[in-house]
Amino acid sequence: AQSVAQPEDQVNVAEGNPLTVKCTYSVSGNPYLFWYVQYPNRGLQFLLKYITGDNLVKGSYGFEAEFNKSQTSFHLKKPSALVSDSALYFCAVRTLNSGNTPLVFGKGTRLSVIA
Amino acid sequence: DVKVTQSSRYLVKRTGEKVFLECVQDMDHENMFWYRQDPGLGLRLIYFSYDVKMKEKGDIPEGYSVSREKKERFSLILESASTNQTSMYLCASSPQGAVVNEQFFGPGTRLTVL
Repeated sequence: AQSVAQPEDQVNVAEGNPLTVKCTYSVSGNPYLFWYVQYPNRGLQFLLKYITGDNLVKGSYGFEAEFNKSQTSFHLKKPSALVSDSALYFCAVRTLNSGNTPLVFGKGTRLSVIA
Repeated sequence: DVKVTQSSRYLVKRTGEKVFLECVQDMDHENMFWYRQDPGLGLRLIYFSYDVKMKEKGDIPEGYSVSREKKERFSLILESASTNQTSMYLCASSPQGAVVNEQFFGPGTRLTVL
């Protein structure tokens, strides 16, 4: 079975500092990994995905994520946080064997960027 | 601009009422999904559909049913609403056949059952 863990419920960071939101996964087979962001009272917005190739993936709003197969991780990063980055972040996974099946989501991490 | 729309942003219903949540996508996607989102529990899959008139149970289908009569529309039905179904409901869609494709989400419906 596929699963995703986001070990931190809440991450606090000062504006201008680098931020990291952690994600680890468990799958059989090669993973396809996704990050989504949810702003207050909104649906989820796609940020970036890892399919294959370069382990460092760049996405929207200056975010990037690094795929680490040995550590089964896909942490979301940004070099310099903005107050407007404050939101709920979800990591998700699917495998090649799962066809049309839905993404499996983590429980989410709330990011708070303090001015 | 691609879109998934949901019929209501906020809804208040009474216990025992039959509730319909509607979702429409304009991307000609084959796959559609219903999730509920609760604090500390993340997104939990209720039902999904990969074709018209087809449906599959997700992780928490009890108390819910779905209908997909047209490709663009996927309805979630609460047969007899209960207070423990108070939640945020999110609809999503994705194209068929490509595991690499992301899902596109609607804005959500916040349902309160009194």
